[in-house]
Amino acid sequence: AQTVTQSQPEMSVQEAETVTLSCTYDTSESDYYLFWYKQPPSRQMILVIRQEAYKQQNATENRFSVNFQKAAKSFSLKISDSQLGDAAMYFCAYRRNDMRFGAGTRLTVKP
Amino acid sequence: ETGVTQSPTHLIKTRGQQVTLRCSSQSGHNTVSWYQQALGQGPQFIFQYYREEENGRGNFPPRFSGLQFPNYSSELNVNALELDDSALYLCASSLAWQGVGYGYTFGSGTRLTVV
Repeated sequence: AQTVTQSQPEMSVQEAETVTLSCTYDTSESDYYLFWYKQPPSRQMILVIRQEAYKQQNATENRFSVNFQKAAKSFSLKISDSQLGDAAMYFCAYRRNDMRFGAGTRLTVKP
Repeated sequence: ETGVTQSPTHLIKTRGQQVTLRCSSQSGHNTVSWYQQALGQGPQFIFQYYREEENGRGNFPPRFSGLQFPNYSSELNVNALELDDSALYLCASSLAWQGVGYGYTFGSGTRLTVV
């Protein structure tokens, strides 16, 4: 069974600084997708970034980028130039058929 | 393009009762998944429906059941409610395997409280 582990329940970053959220996963598959979702207090999950496992190049979306290490089964999210609006719960997710989530990391952004 | 809509947004039920939650998927999406998210936790996969058939299920008892309709909307039914069923229930729609890389579109959830 696929499992997703986020080892940082809470993280804090100063506005305009950079923060990295960690995620590891367990799978025996070679073809799958990985995602980071953001969940603000409004509750709706918002897709931040996605990564195809067969691509070695790390995905980037504006201030958000990932460090994907397939052999290590690691998928971390880097947020650059943090903004107050980035404060939220962040979930790492694995998908082959259905999608499985980690327990989440609560990110606080300090002004 | 409409998103995923869920109803109701909040619900209070008594232990032992039954509840039905509803979800309208995003236009063009043929797969619907349901998740239970306890307070402060990550979403836990309940089940997934594709073309009106369940095609994946997480570690939830049979009293959690679902339906998907020809228009791809869906219902989650929970029988014999327990206090631990209190949670946010999220519905997500997506394309089937051919579009799996594009992730899910989530609704805002139904907050269920069992008293």
